Amino acid sequence: QSALTQPASVSGSPGQSITISCTGTSSDVGGYNYVSWYQQHPGKAPKLMIFEVSNRPSGVSNRFSGSKSGDTASLTISGLQAEDEADYYCSSYASSNLYVFGPGTKVTVL
Amino acid sequence: QVQLVESGGGVVQPGRSLRLSCAASGLTLSPYGMHWVRQAPGKGLEWVAVIWYNGSKKYYADSVKGRFIITRDNSKNTLYLQMNSLRAEDTAVYYCARDITSTIDGFDIWGQGTVVTVSS
Repeated sequence: QSALTQPASVSGSPGQSITISCTGTSSDVGGYNYVSWYQQHPGKAPKLMIFEVSNRPSGVSNRFSGSKSGDTASLTISGLQAEDEADYYCSSYASSNLYVFGPGTKVTVL
Repeated sequence: QVQLVESGGGVVQPGRSLRLSCAASGLTLSPYGMHWVRQAPGKGLEWVAVIWYNGSKKYYADSVKGRFIITRDNSKNTLYLQMNSLRAEDTAVYYCARDITSTIDGFDIWGQGTVVTVSS
């Protein structure tokens, strides 16, 4: 049972924007700016897309952006493309168990 | 080529042990925290353990605490995971991952994973 909650699935048409939420508590998402987002295609290793709430690693498209309000972090994908279809996981530093992943959100490009 | 390569996975009986390795090439691990993350078949990611850049601190998920041990040998640029008293629920793909800092933050480089199957 993950300590973070994410929607099971989100979908959008090419070119649209979608947002994935990640809700925790003041002991994880709300209490620290150590929220990351990972993209995982089937059979592949995860890829870091956002770290420290809103920072993009070098090489990650600026179509991906992150934010946080209270206990909820969000990943927005703008200009949705077919290659963005994947599973997305949020994660956070957590005071109780140090590090936790969300259950994942399947993004479908219609 | 910058990469992490895991090895040591396989099929093992419940209660037995297994040691995973994660060798780095094209990058130096010593300045960075290192993690193990696992993914059970058809399931999400589960953080397993972290070791600080110099090995001074180690932390574990409750599900593996007391059974798994994370270590590193910076002279060999290699990370390890000793898994003891294995259970069926430990069956997963195990990934090693480099932290972007010396302790714990985001994980920017991942290995391809090694499969561990615990079954009689």
